[in-house]
Amino acid sequence: DQQVKQNSPSLSVQEGRISILNCDYTNSMFDYFLWYKKYPAEGPTFLISISSIKDKNEDGRFTVFLNKSAKHLSLHIVPSQPGDSAVYFCAANDRGSTLGRLYFGRGTQLTVWP
Amino acid sequence: NAGVTQTPKFRVLKTGQSMTLLCAQDMNHEYMYWYRQDPGMGLRLIHYSVGEGTTAKGEVPDGYNVSRLKKQNFLLGLESAAPSQTSVYFCASSPPRRAYNSPLHFGNGTRLTVT
Repeated sequence: DQQVKQNSPSLSVQEGRISILNCDYTNSMFDYFLWYKKYPAEGPTFLISISSIKDKNEDGRFTVFLNKSAKHLSLHIVPSQPGDSAVYFCAANDRGSTLGRLYFGRGTQLTVWP
Repeated sequence: NAGVTQTPKFRVLKTGQSMTLLCAQDMNHEYMYWYRQDPGMGLRLIHYSVGEGTTAKGEVPDGYNVSRLKKQNFLLGLESAAPSQTSVYFCASSPPRRAYNSPLHFGNGTRLTVT
């Protein structure tokens, strides 16, 4: 049962434009959300996170938006660069867990073309 | 600072063989995890540990065992490898969850093929 869903397996965007990656979740206990970026032959690396007490968090070109009522979050990359081409995983953690265990989506392959 | 180191990077096993994957972290993290990544499936938790000498099952633990004899090391064992265990295995570590700015730190993975 997939509690974190990334329904778009791939996204292709031109350099300089905005990339929007989407993520939906089903568990209302989730209170902390993260995005990880993964290049081939490397492990996932942390990109940006957001707590459920916020609806937006920004870090340079990356912004994550959270809509708790819709159980939806999105990652915006502006402007997109070829080096952003990677697989992006959405992940979530629930407030009932003292463990840092994360539930991951299946990932979205972002390709940024010149 | 190496972070999380996994050995080996690649391995090919025959059905029924056994092996151990080693994960070492130098960040003094208390929590450690083993995930597997399969095409179209994302990352799924196999086992995890909240401290030296403790381990627990994740969502896909069957066919695997783990040990955490030292805080910095987390071993994943396959007792009798099966083709269904062909995957990329990632180890991760983190401080306790009480800090929100404590995301998982991943190693670069072990690509395992079982023939």
